[in-house]
Amino acid sequence: AQSVTQLDSHVSVSEGTPVLLRCNYSSSYSPSLFWYVQHPNKGLQLLLKYTSAATLVKGINGFEAEFKKSETSFHLTKPSAHMSDAAEYFCVVSGLYGGATNKLIFGTGTLLAVQP
Amino acid sequence: DAGVIQSPRHEVTEMGQEVTLRCKPISGHDYLFWYRQTMMRGLELLIYFNNNVPIDDSGMPEDRFSAKMPNASFSTLKIQPSEPRDSAVYFCASSYWGGGDQETQYFGPGTRLLVL
Repeated sequence: AQSVTQLDSHVSVSEGTPVLLRCNYSSSYSPSLFWYVQHPNKGLQLLLKYTSAATLVKGINGFEAEFKKSETSFHLTKPSAHMSDAAEYFCVVSGLYGGATNKLIFGTGTLLAVQP
Repeated sequence: DAGVIQSPRHEVTEMGQEVTLRCKPISGHDYLFWYRQTMMRGLELLIYFNNNVPIDDSGMPEDRFSAKMPNASFSTLKIQPSEPRDSAVYFCASSYWGGGDQETQYFGPGTRLLVL
């Protein structure tokens, strides 16, 4: 069965410094992995996704994530944080199992705070 | 496209009342998902449909919850009778099985439900 673990519930960075949000996954199958972002009182927006193509995935707003099979990780990074990046970030795993289904399994979320 | 549309955006009701949440998926999408988000339990999948047919309702908490999808452009999630512990944000999401993007779900803005 698929699962995903977000290693930090809260991350705080200063504006202009790098962002690292950590995610480890478990999957019996070749997984598809996603990062979604949720701004306060908003819905979830897709940041990026990995689907067995290039292991380094670039997303919106300067974010990227690298799929590392040997480490079962899919960490989210950004070189320089902006105030508007303050939000909650969800690492998500999906995979075909038992048939044509695309259920998503969400991590518990990482709340990113950006200090001026 | 307008994206996934949910209504109402906010709902305040009293315990015992019936609550109906509505969702219009993205045109052409053939999967529709209902999620619930709470601080305690995070994001939970309640039920999902494929081509208007319920596929998996194992996440529906109890018989007080029901969901329907009478056509490809409309779905409802009903709670009857409502209880304070149903207070949460309810999200609808849709996806399209085809074109290489089948696992990406697009979320609506959510309905914030408060049961007094």
